[in-house]
Amino acid sequence: GAGVSQSPSNKVTEKGKDVELRCDPISGHTALYWYRQSLGQGLEFLIYFQGNSAPDKSGLPSDRFSAERTGGSVSTLTIQRTQQEDSAVYLCASSSSGRGTDTQYFGPGTRLTVL
Amino acid sequence: GDSVTQMEGPVTLSEEACLTINCTYTATGYPSLFWYVQYPGEGLQLLLKATKADDKGSNKGFEATYRKETTSFHLEKGSVQVSDSAVYFCALLTGANNLFFGTGTRLTVIP
Repeated sequence: GAGVSQSPSNKVTEKGKDVELRCDPISGHTALYWYRQSLGQGLEFLIYFQGNSAPDKSGLPSDRFSAERTGGSVSTLTIQRTQQEDSAVYLCASSSSGRGTDTQYFGPGTRLTVL
Repeated sequence: GDSVTQMEGPVTLSEEACLTINCTYTATGYPSLFWYVQYPGEGLQLLLKATKADDKGSNKGFEATYRKETTSFHLEKGSVQVSDSAVYFCALLTGANNLFFGTGTRLTVIP
C-alpha cells in the first residue's frame, strides 16, 4: 500500500502569489493533518480533518492560509498572497481514525520557497 | 499550554557510543508521547511511542520510558551506528489530536 504522498515536492513562488499544496493520505485513513517545518522553529501544527467533522483550524497562522479536504480523502492547503516568512516545508500526515494513540504517517513534504 | 522541550543539538558521537536525548513535556491531561526520526532526504517516521505512564517504547535498539513523575521521555540507545545519523523529534499528543513537536535534535555518528 502506498504511503502519504504530497505534491509538488518543491515549489518556488514570488511574494504575493497564491500557492496550492496537495496531500493524498493513506487510503482508508479518516484523519488528516497539516504541519509546517520552519528552519529554526521546528514543527508546528496547522490544521486537522477528521471524517466529515468541521476541521480544527486552530494552528493556521493567518487568514491567508486555508485548507480543504474533498470527499474525505485528498486535501489541498492554499496560501494566498504568500510572504517570505511562509517559506518552509509543509508536511501532511494521516492516521486511521484520529484517536490519540493512532500513529500519524507523514508524507515527504512540500518545500515552499517564497522569493 | 502543551509543549515539548528537547535537548538542543547538534550531537556528534563516535560509533558504538551511548546516546541520550533528553525530552521533557508540559501537558494538561494524559498525553501520548512519541519519538519521530527524519533520516537525511526522507520524511518523518515514527520511531517509538508510549501511551501511558511507565510504558517503555522501543524500536531499532532505541528506548524511551514515559516518566510521569519527571514529565520526561528521554531517548536512549546503548550503541549508536552511523546509520542512526538523523534528526530526532520528541512529540506529544493530547485530546486535541494534533502532535506538539520539540525543535528536533540532529545526531551525527562518525565511524
